[in-house]
Amino acid sequence: KAGVTQTPRYLIKTRGQQVTLSCSPISGHRSVSWYQQTPGQGLQFLFEYFSETQRNKGNFPGRFSGRQFSNSRSEMNVSTLELGDSALYLCASSFLGTADGYTFGSGTRLTVV
Amino acid sequence: GENVEQHPSTLSVQEGDSAVIKCTYSDSASNYFPWYKQELGKRPQLIIDIRSNVGEKKDQRIAVTLNKTAKHFSLHITETQPEDSAVYFCAATPLKSQTGANNLFFGTGTRLTVIP
Repeated sequence: KAGVTQTPRYLIKTRGQQVTLSCSPISGHRSVSWYQQTPGQGLQFLFEYFSETQRNKGNFPGRFSGRQFSNSRSEMNVSTLELGDSALYLCASSFLGTADGYTFGSGTRLTVV
Repeated sequence: GENVEQHPSTLSVQEGDSAVIKCTYSDSASNYFPWYKQELGKRPQLIIDIRSNVGEKKDQRIAVTLNKTAKHFSLHITETQPEDSAVYFCAATPLKSQTGANNLFFGTGTRLTVIP
């Protein structure tokens, strides 16, 4: 059974650009949550999608957005990149849509230069 | 919202010794407390969790204790081995129903080094 797949694994972007990250959940999982991991802040919640609807959103600026498709794959987009957006972006999928069923992907390492 | 604090930020122990990592939380509604292990360059993996109706849970060399009154929970690793070296994260959340919003509030992590 395939795990949670995140693409790409690594990404280098320039300030001001935008970026799109992808997350394919475990087959049958309807919930996808996104987290930003930085050395100083740990893991911080970005947003969660369940059956194509955003159910919950963390405290991030509007430059961070996401969506979920009918096959449960999710994308997150960051516009007007800033140096501080450099981080590991992790997604987690869940069958029941609850946080006690998380399986994390390996993440996308975004570097903004 | 929930605020989770984790200590220490780094911990070095000799192989075979025990390691203890402590976390506190602020929201009395939190009822689910997982611990994740993240090895270098890898994804966080759930190693043990506890719910608020239980005071202690053990799985081989790993145990977690929860004190709801004091709002703190701890991870205990006994007979540490070099492969236990990793970053450990605690988290807390007021787990809701399937139709409710769910997310984890994480501590800032503890880098555990087991010295052979």
